[in-house]
Amino acid sequence: DADVTQTPRNRITKTGKRIMLECSQTKGHDRMYWYRQDPGLGLRLIYYSFDVKDINKGEISDGYSVSRQAQAKFSLSLESAIPNQTALYFCATSAPSSSTDTQYFGPGTRLTVL
Amino acid sequence: AQSVTQLGSHVSVSEGALVLLRCNYSSSVPPYLFWYVQYPNQGLQLLLKYTSAATLVKGINGFEAEFKKSETSFHLTKPSAHMSDAAEYFCAVKRSGANNLFFGTGTRLTVIP
Repeated sequence: DADVTQTPRNRITKTGKRIMLECSQTKGHDRMYWYRQDPGLGLRLIYYSFDVKDINKGEISDGYSVSRQAQAKFSLSLESAIPNQTALYFCATSAPSSSTDTQYFGPGTRLTVL
Repeated sequence: AQSVTQLGSHVSVSEGALVLLRCNYSSSVPPYLFWYVQYPNQGLQLLLKYTSAATLVKGINGFEAEFKKSETSFHLTKPSAHMSDAAEYFCAVKRSGANNLFFGTGTRLTVIP
């Protein structure tokens, strides 16, 4: 079984709709992250959480919100989706057991906003 | 500020040829450096990482990378390309104590039979 899972894997929605992307992990890691990937731009950090009570904005948080429901679950919401939020979204986890804090990624959610 | 530059958004090599993917970083102090690979329709998988130990780092699938402080580079190499190496490769940097990974824009590797 995959250590980091994301649901749904693909989603098509319309402008103005509320969307939630979910991430679950079985790695026992405290830290979780949401990134979006756009062609030619690499991955950019949206939000990150170092534990259940800790939520931090990343590089591009506008238009997004997150919820850390448990150590193993971290969801990303688009309150009112817009077309330029069409992208590939990745969840990642890491454990601060060393200073390198290596991140492990889920398979991604492809979101299309029409 | 940290940043990562990957030279060449697309690289093509023949099967069996040397693979060289370039990554340069800007950081005020030697950072931690990572190479990730993304196969089609999959998430990112860690290939290797530099953690200030040995400057030549060996990763999975025959890849290695050398940290060169004087050149602020962390280029990824593989002596002989295989068809299964076709993927997108991302270099990333993290400063010790920082919260974020900063990713390069990626290099898509095509392997020609």
